[in-house]
Amino acid sequence: AQSVTQLGSHVSVSEGALVLLRCNYSSSVPPYLFWYVQYPNQGLQLLLKYTSAATLVKGINGFEAEFKKSETSFHLTKPSAHMSDAAEYFCAVGAGNQFYFGTGTSLTVIP
Amino acid sequence: DTGVSQDPRHKITKRGQNVTFRCDPISEHNRLYWYRQTLGQGPEFLTYFQNEAQLEKSRLLSDRFSAERPKGSFSTLEIQRTEQGDSAMYLCASSGQGDTGELFFGEGSRLTVL
Repeated sequence: AQSVTQLGSHVSVSEGALVLLRCNYSSSVPPYLFWYVQYPNQGLQLLLKYTSAATLVKGINGFEAEFKKSETSFHLTKPSAHMSDAAEYFCAVGAGNQFYFGTGTSLTVIP
Repeated sequence: DTGVSQDPRHKITKRGQNVTFRCDPISEHNRLYWYRQTLGQGPEFLTYFQNEAQLEKSRLLSDRFSAERPKGSFSTLEIQRTEQGDSAMYLCASSGQGDTGELFFGEGSRLTVL
């Protein structure tokens, strides 16, 4: 069975500070992992995806995530937060033709 | 724009009425998904089509819900006899890149049942 746990439903950071959003997964098969971002009243947009090619994945808007099999984690980071990063972030695991989403982390950026 | 489009974006209805949502996926994508999202939650899987075949349905999809994709292109999601608990954002997504392909989402259809 596949599942995703996002630790921390709300994260606040100051503008320019490091962003760290946590995601742990459970998968009975080698996982494909994704981070999506959702702005208010919009659909989800793909930030980045891990498909076993490289453990450190770079995405759009300066975000990156590292796959750590030993920790079953896929945490999302960005070195310096920008006001425009304020949004809801979802981690997801894909297996076969199915996708399972976490409950999301709301990121607030404080000026 | 050739992204996933959903219609209507917002629907307000009275309890007991029927509603229908439409999704037009990216044209070359053969997989189409419906998800439901409530406030503070991630998307919850409802159903999935490959071409015109509905291959999987969640137990969240009660008998009041029905989805079709008659020609393997657009899809409709109908909710009969709506209840207040049906109020949510209904998201459509499509995919066409094999098992590792990501989902491309539409902007969603927000349903409010009064």
